[in-house]
Amino acid sequence: AQTVTQSQPEMSVQEAETVTLSCTYDTSESDYYLFWYKQPPSRQMILVIRQEAYKQQNATENRFSVNFQKAAKSFSLKISDSQLGDAAMYFCAYRGFYGGSQGNLIFGKGTKLSVKP
Amino acid sequence: DTAVSQTPKYLVTQMGNDKSIKCEQNLGHDTMYWYKQDSKKFLKIMFSYNNKELIINETVPNRFSPKSPDKAHLNLHINSLELGDSAVYFCASSQGTGTYSYNSPLHFGNGTRLTVT
Repeated sequence: AQTVTQSQPEMSVQEAETVTLSCTYDTSESDYYLFWYKQPPSRQMILVIRQEAYKQQNATENRFSVNFQKAAKSFSLKISDSQLGDAAMYFCAYRGFYGGSQGNLIFGKGTKLSVKP
Repeated sequence: DTAVSQTPKYLVTQMGNDKSIKCEQNLGHDTMYWYKQDSKKFLKIMFSYNNKELIINETVPNRFSPKSPDKAHLNLHINSLELGDSAVYFCASSQGTGTYSYNSPLHFGNGTRLTVT
């Protein structure tokens, strides 16, 4: 079974600085998808960024970018120019290429990010 | 218009009661899900349903049952509520034919906080 591990329960960053959140996963599949979701105190689950495993190029979305290392099964999230609104729980998630139960999103336990003014 | 909406937002009830949480999506997606987020913020899949196939996480008690009147709705019924059922329940939807999951992120509702006393 696939698993997702986020080894940092909590992280802190100074406003305008850069922070990197770690994520590793375990799978025997060669094709899959990876996601980062953000959950602010409002409880809403917000998609931050996604990556297809067959793409070597790292995904970027404005201030958010990933470092995808397929061989190492690592998928870290970098937040540049951190803003107060970035404070939230961040979840790394894996989704298999095929449907059925493999198509379900599997989450890591999350990293709580605090942003200091 | 809200893409995935679930009601109620909060639900407080006593042990032994039966309750339902409703979920509707207007994204035209063919797959819907229920996730449970426990007190430690861990998100775990309960069910996925794509109008052809219901996939049940084997760890979910049979007191929980999803019911889908049509492709846009997936309600969650819970019988004989227990204290341990207290959690936040998220409904989500995505595109997925059942054979392949595609690079389709899950869109989440805002969650229902269930408190069993």
